[in-house]
Amino acid sequence: NAGVTQTPKFQVLKTGQSMTLQCAQDMNHEYMSWYRQDPGMGLRLIHYSVGAGITDQGEVPNGYNVSRSTTEDFPLRLLSAAPSQTSVYFCASISGPNEQFFGPGTRLTVL
Amino acid sequence: GENVEQHPSTLSVQEGDSAVIKCTYSDSASNYFPWYKQELGKRPQLIIDIRSNVGEKKDQRIAVTLNKTAKHFSLHITETQPEDSAVYFCAASRNSGYALNFGKGTSLLVTP
Repeated sequence: NAGVTQTPKFQVLKTGQSMTLQCAQDMNHEYMSWYRQDPGMGLRLIHYSVGAGITDQGEVPNGYNVSRSTTEDFPLRLLSAAPSQTSVYFCASISGPNEQFFGPGTRLTVL
Repeated sequence: GENVEQHPSTLSVQEGDSAVIKCTYSDSASNYFPWYKQELGKRPQLIIDIRSNVGEKKDQRIAVTLNKTAKHFSLHITETQPEDSAVYFCAASRNSGYALNFGKGTSLLVTP
């Protein structure tokens, strides 16, 4: 099992550009989530999904879109990147007993 | 929404001493409280968790206590070792874990 994978590892964008952060898991978990981590702020929930076709907003959803067409994939889309979205993004999938398995992260810089 | 406060933000102990990190939460409906360890440049990893129907849980040198009445929970690490140095995050969830609210983290340094 690869667990939770994220691509790309690093990305630099210009303000106004759009992009998709990819997340995939091979553990057949129903629940998946996206967090961003900023220095001194801990991790903050962006969006989460309780199954294919079902998503909901977390604490900081503005500027991000998600969809969940399959159990395995949960991409995060930045519609029009802003410098405030510079962060490390972690995707997680959640096992039955509720342990969150985090992916390795994507470090995003918006200039 | 849920607000999780974590203290202290930094903690330095000598090898072999104990370390205690404390968190408070605001949502009385929260029912799941995990603790994560994050080493520099790595992903957070679960080290221990506790549910609202339990007051204490231990796993070797690590223990977590929960006081539902006071809405606070604590992480205790005994016989600390240099490899325990990392950032530790507490979290709380009202839906049993699929949407976590994190504290801001505690940077623990264990000096030999």
